[in-house]
Amino acid sequence: GDSVTQTEGQVTVSESKSLIINCTYSATSIAYPNLFWYVRYPGEGLQLLLKVITAGQKGSSRGFEATYNKETTSFHLQKASVQESDSAVYYCALSMNTGGLSGKLTFGEGTQVTVIS
Amino acid sequence: EAAVTQSPRSKVAVTGGKVTLSCHQTNNHDYMYWYRQDTGHGLRLIHYSYVADSTEKGDIPDGYKASRPSQENFSLILELASLSQTAVYFCASRAGLGGEDTQYFGPGTRLLVL
Repeated sequence: GDSVTQTEGQVTVSESKSLIINCTYSATSIAYPNLFWYVRYPGEGLQLLLKVITAGQKGSSRGFEATYNKETTSFHLQKASVQESDSAVYYCALSMNTGGLSGKLTFGEGTQVTVIS
Repeated sequence: EAAVTQSPRSKVAVTGGKVTLSCHQTNNHDYMYWYRQDTGHGLRLIHYSYVADSTEKGDIPDGYKASRPSQENFSLILELASLSQTAVYFCASRAGLGGEDTQYFGPGTRLLVL
């Protein structure tokens, strides 16, 4: 089946430093998946951070960026300068809109990001 | 902003007991989902529904039932709760396939089975 891998379970980074969270995917369909980053702040539900549905395109939101790379099947999340308010759990996910009824999301394991001052 | 609420937010249940988790959405969305998350794992799909009075199995449906009595409400039922069902449960909604595919999540329910 489809799968998403995030290699870092926890990341600690100092305020104003850069952040990168790695995400790679595997999709069984010949079609390209839609790719998402969701974020979960403490005490809240998951919320969409950004999404990209076209290979080669970049998505951005709140200073975060991610580029859909179909050659390396990657969708890494980056931010040039983090703030304490960016402390959260970040999830990479994919969905396939090639048929079937579920429209489900397949998630990576999540990366806990802690920003220290 | 889309709104999905869940109740209860946390629950302690006994092994073998019945547990019902509730989800309510005000987005007028067709699709609703139940996911579970275990520590160190991503969210996994338990059940979903694309129309009232109908539910479908997801990837890990064993030990769970679902009910969609109306477009707005979607419940997850554990008839005989087990220790292995301790997890955080998330409900989500989205518009129908072919349209906007963003899923909107509730805050989660933390379930502890003792």
